[in-house]
Amino acid sequence: DSGVTQTPKHLITATGQRVTLRCSPRSGDLSVYWYQQSLDQGLQFLIQYYNGEERAKGNILERFSAQQFPDLHSELNLSSLELGDSALYFCASSGTGVGTEAFFGQGTRLTVV
Amino acid sequence: AQTVTQSQPEMSVQEAETVTLSCTYDTSESDYYLFWYKQPPSRQMILVIRQEAYKQQNATENRFSVNFQKAAKSFSLKISDSQLGDAAMYFCAYRSGGSNYKLTFGKGTLLTVNP
Repeated sequence: DSGVTQTPKHLITATGQRVTLRCSPRSGDLSVYWYQQSLDQGLQFLIQYYNGEERAKGNILERFSAQQFPDLHSELNLSSLELGDSALYFCASSGTGVGTEAFFGQGTRLTVV
Repeated sequence: AQTVTQSQPEMSVQEAETVTLSCTYDTSESDYYLFWYKQPPSRQMILVIRQEAYKQQNATENRFSVNFQKAAKSFSLKISDSQLGDAAMYFCAYRSGGSNYKLTFGKGTLLTVNP
């Protein structure tokens, strides 16, 4: 158990809909990262939050947004869903020490039908 | 931008034998970290081993060791005494030094362990 909790584990929704994925980081970790894993694109970094503020942005679509709340949990919002958004979405968290590593949650499997 | 390349989409090894997974990366940075992550069928991303670029000594974690060739930008993973539980997808990953903790992953190598 990595200590990072993601809910839900599975999500099936229709095209055009909006969903919210939730992540609770490890206790004490201030940074949260979101990654998308798909068959064609592999594992891609989407966005990072640090203590409530956006720190880095990767290949995140404009239809996607994220936030980190005061209690440090994070949510990834995906809207106007398309079939191609079907993927495994991972959340990871890390501390702030030099060289600190990221610990991953078990992921949310999103299927858009 | 940094890139990570894993040239072996699939590998197989006999139980108790040794296997080496390859990874090369491209960067102009001098301060960075390299990782190997394991993803079993459960989908969980599990950190196997990490290497700091400033360290010349190769990292070792039990049966897992790396061969870090900084000049060649190569970072291979050796698994000794392979076990059935080692069967998984293995990802090589790069992270810059400093405060940017974003990971750049390779495409992965699917390792099969034959009994």
